[in-house]
Amino acid sequence: QAVLTQPSSLSASPGASASLTCTLRSGINVGAYRIYWYQQKPGNPPQYLLRYTSDSDKHQGSGVPSRFSGSKDASANAGILLISGLQSEDEADYYCMIWHSSASVFGGGTKLTVL
Amino acid sequence: EVQLVESGGGLVQPGGSLRLSCAASGFTLSNYAMNWVRQAPGKGLEWVSTISEGGTTYYADSVRGRFTISRDTSRNTLYLQINSLRGEDTAIYYCAQFGPSILGNWGQGTLVTVSS
Repeated sequence: QAVLTQPSSLSASPGASASLTCTLRSGINVGAYRIYWYQQKPGNPPQYLLRYTSDSDKHQGSGVPSRFSGSKDASANAGILLISGLQSEDEADYYCMIWHSSASVFGGGTKLTVL
Repeated sequence: EVQLVESGGGLVQPGGSLRLSCAASGFTLSNYAMNWVRQAPGKGLEWVSTISEGGTTYYADSVRGRFTISRDTSRNTLYLQINSLRGEDTAIYYCAQFGPSILGNWGQGTLVTVSS
């Protein structure tokens, strides 16, 4: 089982909100981790969006709009990237990442379609 | 302005070697953890290696023993020496800053193609 699991795709309408999940493997407690989120558009390098550990320990990337926010769902053992007020420019691949066992681990990515 | 610029990629035969460079500007590289991340064509992101602020190095299992991360503080440059290259090493290699202290910047990447 992968350390981080992301749904391969998600679709949402302009103006709506999208919740992208990053589920940690059983036995790895989401509460203990800083979760990084990245956005990647075709032909471009990934762009750092934010890092979320808790409401008192979070970091927003430089220039990243506040409609991108992070949270955790302890019951689901998952990190969440919430994008509100979806815009066509938000269509991209989104990756989560954690530092686990002396290694960085990326999720497989979610392709977000805005239509 | 913080900037990361990679160089050194190219076409190399299986078993060959390359040294990738990442020139940093706008910040002192040795004050931050620095990373190499790669992306094979059409695939997701794969972490390769990290060097911490203190100089401790970490490697993915897939590259340990073949790749070496280092930095030159006088040149403010990060390196990745890659040896014994295999076809599965074909990817865009990104230099990226992330870690306990975070700026979040990534370079544009340098393409490594392993083929005979």
